[in-house]
Amino acid sequence: QITLKESGPTQVKRTQTLTLTCTFSGFSLSMDGMGVGWVRQPPGKALEWLALIYWDDNKVYSPSLKNRLTVTKDTSRNQVVLTMTNMDPVDTATYYCAHRDFGEYFFHYWGQGTLVTVSS
Amino acid sequence: QSAPTQPASVSGSPGQSITISCTGTSSDVGAYKYYVSWYQQHPGKVPKLLIYNANSRPSGVSDRFSGSKSGNTASLTISGLQPDDEADYYCLSLTASNTLLFGAGTKLTVL
Repeated sequence: QITLKESGPTQVKRTQTLTLTCTFSGFSLSMDGMGVGWVRQPPGKALEWLALIYWDDNKVYSPSLKNRLTVTKDTSRNQVVLTMTNMDPVDTATYYCAHRDFGEYFFHYWGQGTLVTVSS
Repeated sequence: QSAPTQPASVSGSPGQSITISCTGTSSDVGAYKYYVSWYQQHPGKVPKLLIYNANSRPSGVSDRFSGSKSGNTASLTISGLQPDDEADYYCLSLTASNTLLFGAGTKLTVL
């Protein structure tokens, strides 16, 4: 059974750096083909894909946010960390992490999401 | 990189069928033959995978949901509309740059 859960601050201030952790179970990021992605959704708006980290430490980022995002993995702890620099109120959103299986380019399993509010 | 276009809203009566389109470019929706997926999201809930690889359904998803793809446009069809189908729907495609891109989203209203 695959589960994921996001954790981190619920509020950050403008210009600060956001650090979110995705803790998962039911798979290992040391397994060939595995990956964990990040998606966000501002209140009342559409889903936006942010980043994906693969088992081999390859990372892919949204072109529009590439300069602000970093994703890392801790295989021993079954965790993936997303950092986003220079936060702005427009970055207020629910942030989700999700599982990517071998050869897949979709997300079947999602975390519950965590709402992050950016204050000015 | 612009989000693939989806109709902002669609509506239908119970029992009817509706189709939601996801139109992009040869760099996103049209980049690969199969790598489009569809998600259903009820208000305040986590997105749920409905269709993957353009036309495959995960176990447990009703066969009322079906997907297709032609060129730069993918489509999600819901047949036999039910009240619980009222939700937001998003397509997700793998781009030519091997990044992922969600569509703009469609709000489905069941009249």
